[in-house]
Amino acid sequence: TQLLEQSPQFLSIQEGENLTVYCNSSSVFSSLQWYRQEPGEGPVLLVTVVTGGEVKKLKRLTFQFGDARKDSSLHITAAQPGDTGLYLCAGAAGANNLFFGTGTRLTVIP
Amino acid sequence: NAGVTQTPKFQVLKTGQSMTLQCAQDMNHEYMSWYRQDPGMGLRLIHYSVGAGITDQGEVPNGYNVSRSTTEDFPLRLLSAAPSQTSVYFCASSSSPLGGAGEKLFFGSGTQLSVL
Repeated sequence: TQLLEQSPQFLSIQEGENLTVYCNSSSVFSSLQWYRQEPGEGPVLLVTVVTGGEVKKLKRLTFQFGDARKDSSLHITAAQPGDTGLYLCAGAAGANNLFFGTGTRLTVIP
Repeated sequence: NAGVTQTPKFQVLKTGQSMTLQCAQDMNHEYMSWYRQDPGMGLRLIHYSVGAGITDQGEVPNGYNVSRSTTEDFPLRLLSAAPSQTSVYFCASSSSPLGGAGEKLFFGSGTQLSVL
């Protein structure tokens, strides 16, 4: 099992604040994905990062893959209530092996 | 525009009962998989299939069986349910096997299973 630890586990912030979620592992991954999951639904893919050091932006969300491809971060600028959900990172290690992180539950208070 | 469809949405079983969780996708995806989601543990892979007639074990396969007779369907069977199998189960599909560039997984909306 290749453990992916996410921090913080829970995060509650006011609308308009910035936040960063971390995804860390001792294992190297060929790529890393971030998903968002809403209550009663399955996870939905936000982004895939492949190259060490890669940065991708999706509107107010910025994703970074660590240089050594062992960790990643998700930064949200000016959080909105619609950003509320469970954020999951997932690392790919070889064919047919995708390991999910423990999740960060974000609540944005209007 | 169905995507991945899972049934039932909720299920309560008694210890020792059997049941089948259904999963169907209409995207002609070769890769399908089953995950279970437990608090604080993320999603863990139970079984997966890279095409009709081909299945393999994931991280937590014990107590579960699968088969893949068609491209569209990938049912998950619990032969003798145990309380430890209380969880939320997700089926997912992809147009190609994971790994490498990490292809996008499409998830169903889940089945919440309670085993008493």
